[in-house]
Amino acid sequence: DSGVTQTPKHLITATGQRVTLRCSPRSGDLSVYWYQQSLDQGLQFLIQYYNGEERAKGNILERFSAQQFPDLHSELNLSSLELGDSALYFCASSASTSLLGSTDTQYFGPGTRLTVL
Amino acid sequence: AQKVTQAQTEISVVEKEDVTLDCVYETRDTTYYLFWYKQPPSGELVFLIRRNSFDEQNEISGRYSWNFQKSTSSFNFTITASQVVDSAVYFCALSETRIHGSSNTGKLIFGQGTTLQVKP
Repeated sequence: DSGVTQTPKHLITATGQRVTLRCSPRSGDLSVYWYQQSLDQGLQFLIQYYNGEERAKGNILERFSAQQFPDLHSELNLSSLELGDSALYFCASSASTSLLGSTDTQYFGPGTRLTVL
Repeated sequence: AQKVTQAQTEISVVEKEDVTLDCVYETRDTTYYLFWYKQPPSGELVFLIRRNSFDEQNEISGRYSWNFQKSTSSFNFTITASQVVDSAVYFCALSETRIHGSSNTGKLIFGQGTTLQVKP
């Protein structure tokens, strides 16, 4: 158990709908990362938050957005869903307390499997 | 651009065989980090090892060992005396570390993964 929790575990919805995925980082971790794992694209970085602020952005679609709340949990919002958005969405957290220029280990949650019908 | 290549898509071995998973990376950074993660059939991503670019010592942890060679930009992973429970997808990843204000940003760039099947 990594200590990172994600809800829900599974989500089935229809095209055009909007969903929210939730992530709670490990206790004390300030950084939260979101990744998408799909069969054709593999594991892709979406976005990172650090202590409530956006820090880095990857190939995240404009239909997707995220935020990190004061209690450090994070939510990933996916809207106007398309069939191609079906994937496993991972949240990871890291302490981000290492020396600047270093990279802390990212610990991953169990993922949310999204199926768009 | 940074890139990670895991050329072996699938490997199948018989229990107790040794197996090596290859990972080759590309980066222009002088400081970087390399990782291995395991994804068992249950789906979660399990952290195995983190190695920085200045530490080329090989590492051993039980049946697992890692060979980091900067000269060939490789970070290979060997499982000795494989077991059925080792069956999983294994990912090699490279960190892109940037400084933003007073914090690090460190997105991971993953290889495509190697599916290891260990047969009894």
